[in-house]
Amino acid sequence: QITLKESGPTLVKPTQTLTLTCTVSGFSLTTSGVGVGWVRQPPGKTLEWIALIYWDDDKRYSPSLKSRLTITKDTSREQVVLSMTNMDHVDTATYFCAYMVRGVMRFDPRGQGTLVTVSS
Amino acid sequence: DIQMTQSPSTLSASVGDTVTITCRASQSVSFWLAWYQQKPGKAPKLLIYKASNLESGVPSRFRGSGSGTEFTLTISSLQPDDFATYYCHQFNNYPWTFGQGTKVEIK
Repeated sequence: QITLKESGPTLVKPTQTLTLTCTVSGFSLTTSGVGVGWVRQPPGKTLEWIALIYWDDDKRYSPSLKSRLTITKDTSREQVVLSMTNMDHVDTATYFCAYMVRGVMRFDPRGQGTLVTVSS
Repeated sequence: DIQMTQSPSTLSASVGDTVTITCRASQSVSFWLAWYQQKPGKAPKLLIYKASNLESGVPSRFRGSGSGTEFTLTISSLQPDDFATYYCHQFNNYPWTFGQGTKVEIK
């Protein structure tokens, strides 16, 4: 059974750096073709793909956010970490991580994501 | 970026109805398109991948079709559990993008 669990702060101040962790189980971060992606959703709005990291450490970022993002994985801890610098009010959103195989993202059916509010 | 445009934005229907949601891409995404269902406070649930492949465990009343720039999601015999918001998503080109969503509500 594949599970993904997002964790991180619920409140960050403007200009601060957000660090989110996705802890996975039921699959290996080093299996060929596998990746973990991040998607966010501002309140009442649509989904936005942010970044993903592949089994071979290839990384892809949304161009609009690329200068602020870093995605890494720790295979020993079975975690994928997303960092976003210089947070702003417009970054207030629910952040989801997803399991990806051959481009297809699947979210944890038990998951709710993690709501991050940017406020001073 | 590839723009994904869904129509309608909102759809009112009754249990038992058949409904169709359309998704148009600003350029071809071949068949690299997925459909998700989302309910309030929950993560998106994959329904259809590669345009027409039904995800395991998803009822067969959900059907996806299309290729290139035009896609449809059809839900036959709408059930109470189907009232939700639906999103199309292209993963042919980076950055991956989503449609704005179609809310299926009870008439």
